[in-house]
Amino acid sequence: QSVLAQPPSVSAAPGQRVTISCSGSSANIGNNDVSWYQQVPGTAPKLLIYDNNKRPSGIPDRFSGSRSGTSATLGITGLQTGDEADYYCGTWDNSLAGGVVFGGGTKLTVL
Amino acid sequence: QGQLVESGGSVVQPGTSLRLSCAASGFNFNSHTLHWVRQAPGKGLEWVALISHDGSNKYYGKSVEGRFSISRDVSKNTLYLQMNTLRTEDTAEYFCARDLKPFLTGYMDVWGKGTTVIVSS
Repeated sequence: QSVLAQPPSVSAAPGQRVTISCSGSSANIGNNDVSWYQQVPGTAPKLLIYDNNKRPSGIPDRFSGSRSGTSATLGITGLQTGDEADYYCGTWDNSLAGGVVFGGGTKLTVL
Repeated sequence: QGQLVESGGSVVQPGTSLRLSCAASGFNFNSHTLHWVRQAPGKGLEWVALISHDGSNKYYGKSVEGRFSISRDVSKNTLYLQMNTLRTEDTAEYFCARDLKPFLTGYMDVWGKGTTVIVSS
């Protein structure tokens, strides 16, 4: 059971917009900034969003992020077949000894 | 941009030890916190451990604390993960990753391709 809760799967048609939610608590998202990663099966994860809504260089502005209270959301517009992947949220957790925590992951299917 | 290459994965028996390595190149090794993250077959990402840029701070995930030890060798630009008393549930792909900024953020912007650890009798 992951500390951060994500829906197991989402789907949408090419060109449409999709959002992926990430729910936590005051020990993590409520007091720490969030990152998002994209992982195509069989490859390493790639950083998409950091500091809740910033994109590393090379990440298109079709990807966006937001954080409110103890939840965060990843948005993807203009869906492409190449966006089909697993998406993970991550943040720091202040409980016990601390550390990074990830969501359980959301599989995006582009229909 | 930087590159990370993991090695040392193997098939081992429960209760034994294994050391993973992660060779870094293309960036200032001394300037970044480094992480180990693992992924069990068909499962999600699980953060394992981190070590600060100067090696003075180390944090571990609950499932490995007391059994795993993270370290770094500046002279070799290499990160290590010493894994002791291995369990079947440690079976996973192990990735090393670089923290985005010189100080600890928890954001991982450069990842290796991973090395496979299988713990089985």
